[in-house]
Amino acid sequence: DAKTTQPPSMDCAEGRAANLPCNHSTISGNEYVYWYRQIHSQGPQYIIHGLKNNETNEMASLIITEDRKSSTLILPHATLRDTAVYYCIVRVDESGGFKTIFGAGTRLFVKA
Amino acid sequence: KAGVTQTPRYLIKTRGQQVTLSCSPISGHRSVSWYQQTPGQGLQFLFEYFSETQRNKGNFPGRFSGRQFSNSRSEMNVSTLELGDSALYLCASSFFGGDTSGANVLTFGAGSRLTVL
Repeated sequence: DAKTTQPPSMDCAEGRAANLPCNHSTISGNEYVYWYRQIHSQGPQYIIHGLKNNETNEMASLIITEDRKSSTLILPHATLRDTAVYYCIVRVDESGGFKTIFGAGTRLFVKA
Repeated sequence: KAGVTQTPRYLIKTRGQQVTLSCSPISGHRSVSWYQQTPGQGLQFLFEYFSETQRNKGNFPGRFSGRQFSNSRSEMNVSTLELGDSALYLCASSFFGGDTSGANVLTFGAGSRLTVL
């Protein structure tokens, strides 16, 4: 099972910041948080990942709480093309190996 | 650089047949993992290969199998197809295998959409 919980859907106005929350209360000390998104049943696209510190790249920012039990993905100026399912992932350590397990994700609707 | 290439993109089979899907990873990536995506079950992990060895496996029946070649290209096979095998099959490559505790970013292909009639 996935180690993260996310709201099933969110709305955001075009041009505004989209803040997508994720809970990962059982994350282990050295495990990263990854975010991917999937548009129209294309292959998921990597967005960003982080361990402890906040991270920013050309797509988004990732804010991780100090206790690492939750994080927020921020799309600073959402566009209609950002409408997608966003997956927050913490890999699952099973059978001696790590698996990237996808949960249901958050369906983000960006509205004009 | 070229991305992850999956072939074929679309295919139609009938129940009882078998199918082979191919995945060419990003050059230099040694790990390939496979996922099945259906509307009802979402993205489900099938298996992962690293250096020609299966390193991890999801909860799928033995009809689902795979292999990886020395050039890191991978194939997955589904035998005795059932209607429920209709899905988008996604392949992802990464430099590290699943047994690394460090960061391991996956790059996905566009998928192979299988329809079983």
